[in-house]
Amino acid sequence: KAGVTQTPRYLIKTRGQQVTLSCSPISGHRSVSWYQQTPGQGLQFLFEYFSETQRNKGNFPGRFSGRQFSNSRSEMNVSTLELGDSALYLCASSWGTSGGGSSYNEQFFGPGTRLTVL
Amino acid sequence: AQSVAQPEDQVNVAEGNPLTVKCTYSVSGNPYLFWYVQYPNRGLQFLLKYITGDNLVKGSYGFEAEFNKSQTSFHLKKPSALVSDSALYFCAVRPNNAGNMLTFGGGTRLMVKP
Repeated sequence: KAGVTQTPRYLIKTRGQQVTLSCSPISGHRSVSWYQQTPGQGLQFLFEYFSETQRNKGNFPGRFSGRQFSNSRSEMNVSTLELGDSALYLCASSWGTSGGGSSYNEQFFGPGTRLTVL
Repeated sequence: AQSVAQPEDQVNVAEGNPLTVKCTYSVSGNPYLFWYVQYPNRGLQFLLKYITGDNLVKGSYGFEAEFNKSQTSFHLKKPSALVSDSALYFCAVRPNNAGNMLTFGGGTRLMVKP
């Protein structure tokens, strides 16, 4: 069974540009979550999508947005890139999103997309 | 709001010795606690979780964690460290009413020396 895939793996952009990252969840998984990992702020939750609906959103500016398609694949977009957006962006998928500790929503992480903003 | 603290940025241990990576948490309601490991240029790999029941949780690769409700701690342990255990370890908490949103600690780098 294929794991979570993220494309591209590496990306270099300049300030002011926008970027779109893609995440393909494990087959059958309907929940996709996105996290930003930086040396200074650590791992921070961006948002979660389930059945094409945003379920939760972290404390990030509106420049960060996402969506989920009917096949559960998800994209996140960052507009007007800033130097501080340089990070590893991780995607995680799970069957569901019932919260708590249910195995139904065990999360599996992809390898990440490393974004560098120059 | 929930929070997780990993008080040590780095833990050094000799191969064959026991290891402990510390984690304390703050969350309202029942805590659902997790440990993940990250190797260079890789995503996070699930090690173990505490949901309810026995306070000693066994996970992958010989790791275990002890849940202590009175001390609000969830320390990761392994009886005998391997050089290949060297990696970045994250403790995380997920509230019962927040979907799949995980709140992570700052991470602890484990260095196991031969």
